[in-house]
Amino acid sequence: SQKIEQNSEALNIQEGKTATLTCNYTNYSPAYLQWYRQDPGRGPVFLLLIRENEKEKRKERLKVTFDTTLKQSLFHITASQPADSATYLCAPLSNDYKLSFGAGTTVTVRA
Amino acid sequence: GAGVSQSPSNKVTEKGKDVELRCDPISGHTALYWYRQSLGQGLEFLIYFQGNSAPDKSGLPSDRFSAERTGGSVSTLTIQRTQQEDSAVYLCASSLNFQWGYTFGSGTRLTVV
Repeated sequence: SQKIEQNSEALNIQEGKTATLTCNYTNYSPAYLQWYRQDPGRGPVFLLLIRENEKEKRKERLKVTFDTTLKQSLFHITASQPADSATYLCAPLSNDYKLSFGAGTTVTVRA
Repeated sequence: GAGVSQSPSNKVTEKGKDVELRCDPISGHTALYWYRQSLGQGLEFLIYFQGNSAPDKSGLPSDRFSAERTGGSVSTLTIQRTQQEDSAVYLCASSLNFQWGYTFGSGTRLTVV
């Protein structure tokens, strides 16, 4: 069955540093992968989509890579700020256009 | 509306009772999804509506769960004879084009006591 694994540990980093989150998937080959941010008590918010033929995608201080050989996506937050503290969800798109979500990685940025 | 609206935001019910959860998607969004999220867990897909097509019910955990979408807009998720393991946050999302991402509501927190 399809499986999605994100960093099992929460990530605590100092303001200004880069946070790197990992998403690994098995047993399928998504053509698209999305990343979402979720704050406590709220629904996830869409951040970025990357296609299988794109190696890297950037949006402001965010960078996402997609390695279909390794079946892995990396999500980077550069120059991190306390406001970036949240849970980040990886969501590869299945062939029937449904998103499957990882359990998420919680990031805490210390001032 | 400006976003996806879900009601109620919180629901406490007794074991064995039926509950209805409502989702108002963004106007014009053809796709509507229901997920549930248990504490510390990822989002679990429940059901997917796309336009006038038959819904994808492959994620519904048991026949106690059902959902409908009336007029291609509002959706209702019904859980019959609720059990304690049904306690979770139920999230609804809508989308016009998956490449633009899903827009989620804030969810309904269901507690079965």
